[in-house]
Amino acid sequence: EAQVTQNPRYLITVTGKKLTVTCSQNMNHEYMSWYRQDPGLGLRQIYYSMNVEVTDKGDVPEGYKVSRKEKRNFPLILESPSPNQTSLYFCASSSHGAAGYHEQYFGPGTRLTVT
Amino acid sequence: AQTVTQSQPEMSVQEAETVTLSCTYDTSESDYYLFWYKQPPSRQMILVIRQEAYKQQNATENRFSVNFQKAAKSFSLKISDSQLGDAAMYFCAYRSASNAGNMLTFGGGTRLMVKP
Repeated sequence: EAQVTQNPRYLITVTGKKLTVTCSQNMNHEYMSWYRQDPGLGLRQIYYSMNVEVTDKGDVPEGYKVSRKEKRNFPLILESPSPNQTSLYFCASSSHGAAGYHEQYFGPGTRLTVT
Repeated sequence: AQTVTQSQPEMSVQEAETVTLSCTYDTSESDYYLFWYKQPPSRQMILVIRQEAYKQQNATENRFSVNFQKAAKSFSLKISDSQLGDAAMYFCAYRSASNAGNMLTFGGGTRLMVKP
């Protein structure tokens, strides 16, 4: 089954404790991205990757890091989480990011709470 | 930068009735895509319908249809014969056709409640 998986699905942590949210896709997609969802703001892109070792900032990259060492994986790293990073996070992938329509497949979401 | 606005934070509809969710967007581009996504309580993002800006014909998918007004930059979603399973958050989204980053710009969402 084609899917995007994220782990963990729920995470409660404390300010400053480094954490990683994993994302994996089994569709051999070149393009992957991370979004955060906040009430009234919809989803906003954090980072994206066009392929292995190619990453770039989205609209709200501050406080986040990513890496793309393998095509299937795109982890989101919070080196020093703060309460304003409490949010619902989605990973998404698509066949490639060039012009034209490419449907994005979303993961199930990770609910992060930073106290 | 593009912006997407959903002016209705919440809407309600009686089961079997029709409801229209509004969306406006701002862009200087002529070629782009518009989408409606559904997010049920499971939080999964589900693509409901998409519209290519170069197509004049409004997209339809079963009970879901859009009213795309390019000059007015309006993209509303009509749900006919509403069902209890339609209750969810609905997000309008924009994507530039030339966006190599494949970034979707989302509106703030509309929560749809369906009354039995």
